Amino acid sequence: NAGVTQTPKFQVLKTGQSMTLQCAQDMNHNSMYWYRQDPGMGLRLIYYSASEGTTDKGEVPNGYNVSRLNKREFSLRLESAAPSQTSVYFCASSEVGSADTQYFGPGTRLTVL
Amino acid sequence: EDQVTQSPEALRLQEGESSSLNCSYTVSGLRGLFWYRQDPGKGPEFLFTLYSAGEEKEKERLKATLTKKESFLHITAPKPEDSATYLCAVQGRLAGYALNFGKGTSLLVTP
Repeated sequence: NAGVTQTPKFQVLKTGQSMTLQCAQDMNHNSMYWYRQDPGMGLRLIYYSASEGTTDKGEVPNGYNVSRLNKREFSLRLESAAPSQTSVYFCASSEVGSADTQYFGPGTRLTVL
Repeated sequence: EDQVTQSPEALRLQEGESSSLNCSYTVSGLRGLFWYRQDPGKGPEFLFTLYSAGEEKEKERLKATLTKKESFLHITAPKPEDSATYLCAVQGRLAGYALNFGKGTSLLVTP
């Protein structure tokens, strides 16, 4: 039982390049989330998917798109990377969204030059 | 707007020296308050969920408590392996599915 997995673990991009961060969970959870973590700041929600087939914006959605591919997988895409998107990205999942514990993946460390 | 403030920012303890971490919050109707532990280079690891004032939960050397304005994470007789950053987060009724995280308390326990 792997929980929440993320790929890649590390990535370096040049400004303007695009990439997709992948996330998968094997806990049969309905809700999935993407957060970013920056030094000196708390984790901030980028996008979430309350259930398969739905996605909604979080606190900091600009510059990102998401796809809920199926119940297990939730991807985050940067269409044109900017240095301000240098961060550590975490995917999380929960059984349902409201008042339910979110379980986090190991993170992707992204650097945009 | 929901807000979470954690104190202190950093704490250094001797092994065996008990202490408490504080999480003060303002929220529009608390759905849940969550404590996580985060080791360097890793994702947050779930510790506790508290739902209502007066609730307490324990796990090994850790005990979390909740009032209407704050939560405490009590660490009893800590060991070096308890060194980590401890994160507090709240979910309010108006916040949808989002967790609002504090900036964390970095704990170092020395032998």
